[in-house]
Amino acid sequence: DTQMTQSPSSLSASVGDRVTITCQASQDIKNYLNWYQQKLGKAPKLLIYDASNLQTGAPSRFSGSGSGTDFTLTISSLQPEDFATYYCQQYDNLPLTFGGGTTVDI
Amino acid sequence: QVQLVQSGTEVKKPGASVKISCKASGYTFSTSGFSWVRQAPGQGLEWMGWINGDGGHTDSAQKFQGRVTVTTDASTSTSYMELTSLRSDDTAVYYCATSLVVAGVFESWGQGTLVTVSS
Repeated sequence: DTQMTQSPSSLSASVGDRVTITCQASQDIKNYLNWYQQKLGKAPKLLIYDASNLQTGAPSRFSGSGSGTDFTLTISSLQPEDFATYYCQQYDNLPLTFGGGTTVDI
Repeated sequence: QVQLVQSGTEVKKPGASVKISCKASGYTFSTSGFSWVRQAPGQGLEWMGWINGDGGHTDSAQKFQGRVTVTTDASTSTSYMELTSLRSDDTAVYYCATSLVVAGVFESWGQGTLVTVSS
């Protein structure tokens, strides 16, 4: 199985901050990497697919980069509605696997 | 507009089975598959299994093999996930999700179904 390791597991930030979350795969997954945002009590929401493509409707302050084993999600200017938990997910091979999550709070 | 609506909260005893439904609307049902993902209280997301659009192929995480069955009913545009031999650590919110464009990219999710396993 491909292990996905996110860091940090949590971070504190302020509105307007630039935030970076990393995700490392245990093997080469090319660019088959997605990022999701999950707010408390809600289903996850797709933000980024194929490592760097912004999902329709996701704000442009979110961006993704990377390939192979190392990936990054960046929020260019944190907004109040961005306080949530973020997960990476690989779909290069089965079983599909998620990172452990990064909680962004104030 | 794609919508996935799941069945309601379940409370089960250890050893029992649970079957959750996920009704799809807003797209051609047979063109995309369903995955099932669960989330234990305070924990992360865990992929359980998948079925393709026409229901002809399924796969599941080794952890759940032998206990999970994912099916579809095209006549009602519904996917089902049945989990047997429930244990207390199966207590979780269970989500269905679908990939309309690329398998493995979950653009749409159900609202989640809480399953509590307790004696």
